Amino acid sequence: QVQLQESGPGLVKPSETLSLTCSVSGGSTSSYYWSWIRQPPGKGLEWIGNIYYTGSTNYNPSLRSRVTISVDTSKNHFSLKLTSVTAADTARYYCARVAAFWSNYNYYYSGMDFWGQGTTVTVSS
Amino acid sequence: DIVMTQSPLSLPVTPGESASISCRSSQSLLDSNGHNYLDWYLQKPGQSPQLLIYLGSNRASGVPDRFSGSGSGTDFTLKISRVEAEDVGVYYCMQALETVTFGQGTRLEIK
Repeated sequence: QVQLQESGPGLVKPSETLSLTCSVSGGSTSSYYWSWIRQPPGKGLEWIGNIYYTGSTNYNPSLRSRVTISVDTSKNHFSLKLTSVTAADTARYYCARVAAFWSNYNYYYSGMDFWGQGTTVTVSS
Repeated sequence: DIVMTQSPLSLPVTPGESASISCRSSQSLLDSNGHNYLDWYLQKPGQSPQLLIYLGSNRASGVPDRFSGSGSGTDFTLKISRVEAEDVGVYYCMQALETVTFGQGTRLEIK
């Protein structure tokens, strides 16, 4: 069973950089896509971006200028950096595996099948 | 961005009855390979979202057959037959054809 665990500071000051890591066990980051999603208090889900194990990334256009997602297959984890944070970035942050891959130029997709429990990040001075 | 619109936003249901949630997208989610890139997720109270349905109508592993997804193009429906107390939570549709976007969520509660 694949398990994901988010880690990182729970409190970040405005204008600083939010950094989170998602550690994967029971599976390998050397395949599939890996995604970050966030949920402001009392609100819905917002996709932040994802990364393929090759390092190819896709970002939410509304966050693209501030987001970097990276993967370290040797440590079996992937990371999120969000710069110049404001109170609007206060949210619960989830990492998830996207069961999708390319094979012979064909794309195979079966949803975000494993999620971490989430970590709450508050932006405040 | 593709905008996802769910209805209703609140859904009170009597146990044992069925429930349906509608999800509409601002553009077609049908790809050239014939797949609709539409998923359904359930976020139970205090938990992370969990995958119910992918590609419009495929049940994820371990999901009871009381849950079914249908639709194509821009109109999709999640149906829950014989609602149980454990089905309470917020249901989200999500499109994965382009930059991922979620619907606003539909809160299912037991009457």
